[in-house]
Amino acid sequence: SQQGEEDPQALSIQEGENATMNCSYKTSINNLQWYRQNSGRGLVHLILIRSNEREKHSGRLRVTLDTSKKSSSLLITASRAADTASYFCAVTDSWGKLQFGAGTQVVVTP
Amino acid sequence: EAQVTQNPRYLITVTGKKLTVTCSQNMNHEYMSWYRQDPGLGLRQIYYSMNVEVTDKGDVPEGYKVSRKEKRNFPLILESPSPNQTSLYFCASSSGQRGEAFFGQGTRLTVV
Repeated sequence: SQQGEEDPQALSIQEGENATMNCSYKTSINNLQWYRQNSGRGLVHLILIRSNEREKHSGRLRVTLDTSKKSSSLLITASRAADTASYFCAVTDSWGKLQFGAGTQVVVTP
Repeated sequence: EAQVTQNPRYLITVTGKKLTVTCSQNMNHEYMSWYRQDPGLGLRQIYYSMNVEVTDKGDVPEGYKVSRKEKRNFPLILESPSPNQTSLYFCASSSGQRGEAFFGQGTRLTVV
């Protein structure tokens, strides 16, 4: 069963704008990870936030985690056309199992 | 270069003809897993392995087998493929269950 569920399913923005996508999950987690997938290719790890962390930054990425609301958000600042991809959140539960959501498709137009 | 290698990248086969998708990682990772990706469903875990000779079912194991005889290899076996196994398959490895996962490039399987 899916644990992470992303919102929105699709997002279309212009270069330079910020892109925000959210992830909700159902059970207790050990950590939450965000991955990126270019069309039909393998997933690439972006960032991992542990359950005891609230915010994390990596370059133009900012991730927040609210364990009380069982939700996380990924912010991509100053988006570029090369950021066009699908973004997935994945939660690691107490058993260590990584479970993915259905993803958010982001299209960045020049 | 750290990588997970899957083969083949593309495969078209007929119903009932046994096939194997290979997966190999060069990072000495203990944890490996197989996922299938279908439109609107995200990635669903098929099987995983925590170490050599230790495997367990994921969320959608029916119709699949795996083996882990060596640390680096984790093949996915479809004994009798059916059209509902047409999908995009990914192998992944990580140093532990809770760490960053490294993914292969995917195998697009079509069963006719």
